[in-house]
Formats: sequence, C-alpha cells, structure tokens
Amino acid sequence: DAKTTQPTSMDCAEGRAANLPCNHSTISGNEYVYWYRQIHSQGPQYIIHGLKNNETNEMASLIITEDRKSSTLILPHATLRDTAVYYCIVSGSSNTGKLIFGQGTTLQVKP
Amino acid sequence: GAGVSQTPSNKVTEKGKYVELRCDPISGHTALYWYRQSLGQGPEFLIYFQGTGAADDSGLPNDRFFAVRPEGSVSTLKIQRTERGDSAVYLCASSLNGAEADTQYFGPGTRLTVL
Repeated sequence: DAKTTQPTSMDCAEGRAANLPCNHSTISGNEYVYWYRQIHSQGPQYIIHGLKNNETNEMASLIITEDRKSSTLILPHATLRDTAVYYCIVSGSSNTGKLIFGQGTTLQVKP
Repeated sequence: GAGVSQTPSNKVTEKGKYVELRCDPISGHTALYWYRQSLGQGPEFLIYFQGTGAADDSGLPNDRFFAVRPEGSVSTLKIQRTERGDSAVYLCASSLNGAEADTQYFGPGTRLTVL
C-alpha cells in the first residue's frame, strides 16, 4: 500500500489559510488522494479527494503536484472549528476501498 | 438524511467476556467497513463487506474477532474472550458501492473498555 508522510502538527491563525502538506512518493497510477479529518471524539469526516487534477469543494481545495508525489490541502479561511487531526490517504481499487490511516497532522487554529 | 449510527456509544466489559457492537449504515449503501482506533493512533482497518459477504477481512487481528452482515444492511462486530488490549474506539463506515473514489461516511464510534 502507498504510504503518506505528514507533519505531526501545525498551527494556523483564525481567518488565515491553512496549508497542510502530504508526501506520497510511492503512489501508483490508479490511486486517489483522499483527505479526511477527525475532530476530537468524533468519527472521521470526508473532506475531498482527487486523482490528478486540482479539486475544490465547499470545504477545501486539493492541489496535487504534476508528478503526483505530493499534495496540499488548503482550508482557505480557517476557523476555530477546523481544529482537528487531518489525514492524507492514498487508496485505489486494489485496496477494496479500505482506507489506510497514518498518524495525520494535528491542526490547531488559534484566535 | 440519517448518517451512520453505532450502538452502544460506550461499552464497558470485563476481561474474558463476549461483546457485540452494532452498525447501521446509510440506507442504500452496499459497502460497509469496520475500523479500530486506539488512543493517539489513526483508525486501523478491520473488515470490509460488499453486500452480505466479507470481501476483505485481512485486518481482523485474530479469530476472537468476527463480523456479520446477514441482510446486507446492519452489521455486527463480535469479540469473544475480550482482552484489555481490545480497548479502543470501534468505527463503522459505509459507502455507496465500495468503488474507487467512493466516499466513506463514518459513524461516531463505539468506545469499548475492557477492565
């Protein structure tokens, strides 16, 4: 399974953009990049996913490098409620859809 | 609409006892997943159902763990002869059909404590 590398923790000021990096240098051609987050004592929440192109939805933007070996999740205007653990996951059909979670990045949004 | 629900939310049991954890997926979702999350760690995959059948049970740690989904909707995770190391949050997720790029929706989890 492809593995991901994320910083253990990051801080962000409220109202500013939060940019969370992820390295996935062993990603294969049919694997997607997913981002989930987990707020304390809740189940993980889907944020966004992509294959090759950059993606944007109401929650965030996902920027994937051309070689697909890394990506960045962007929360454009972070709020205190965005404080959570953010997981970058690569997964494809060979994995039967199961998600392999790493340790994630703990994002602390500060007032 | 209703999301994934799990019952009970908390379960305290004694070492050696048998427990059952229940998951109600989103209506119409054929794919169902169980994960386990220990304190300070990311969720760890246990088993994946496509309909009624277990399509991938490679994450079950040993034969004390078993899961069923007899009618292709509700699933039960069963743990026999519980051990203190089984203490964790057990998470359930469902997705529409388990295809690649299919979003998984997670329930709130069941916190299992084995004394």
